[in-house]
Amino acid sequence: GENVEQHPSTLSVQEGDSAVIKCTYSDSASNYFPWYKQELGKRPQLIIDIRSNVGEKKDQRIAVTLNKTAKHFSLHITETQPEDSAVYFCAASTGGFKTIFGAGTRLFVKA
Amino acid sequence: DVKVTQSSRYLVKRTGEKVFLECVQDMDHENMFWYRQDPGLGLRLIYFSYDVKMKEKGDIPEGYSVSREKKERFSLILESASTNQTSMYLCASSQRVGRGQPQHFGDGTRLSIL
Repeated sequence: GENVEQHPSTLSVQEGDSAVIKCTYSDSASNYFPWYKQELGKRPQLIIDIRSNVGEKKDQRIAVTLNKTAKHFSLHITETQPEDSAVYFCAASTGGFKTIFGAGTRLFVKA
Repeated sequence: DVKVTQSSRYLVKRTGEKVFLECVQDMDHENMFWYRQDPGLGLRLIYFSYDVKMKEKGDIPEGYSVSREKKERFSLILESASTNQTSMYLCASSQRVGRGQPQHFGDGTRLSIL
């Protein structure tokens, strides 16, 4: 069946460094790729998303890139801050009802 | 701002009990979802509903059922709770699909089955 692989499972960076999380999807019909951030004890919240007709999207310190040919997409966080510490989930959707989530990346930003 | 409210943050039940988890959203969203979240496994879809009284199985529906009698409310039912259903349960809602829509999540219910 369809799946989304996410790496790494844990990522530790120094404050001010960049963090990159990578995902690979299997369903070539996927056309919508959201990223969610889940802080400890809180709900997952959408932080950025990208559609298949776009190769890159930026929002302040966060950017997402998409390579449809390779079926890869990545989240880039620049100038990391302690409040960026959280679990990040990538996801892929074909525009239908189901969204497939990655297993999550726990990001630690050390002050 | 979309509000998805789950009835309990923490719940402790006994093996064999029938358990009801309730979820209400206030944005008139057509789609509602139930996930369970386990460490290292991400979010796994249990059931979803795209309209009142409509339901579809997700990836792990065994041992669960759902009910959607009103558009704003989606209930998850554990017919006979077992210890392997101890988990975090997340409800979500989204607008009707077409081009892919973000999901809005509740705070989750941490369910322990003893």
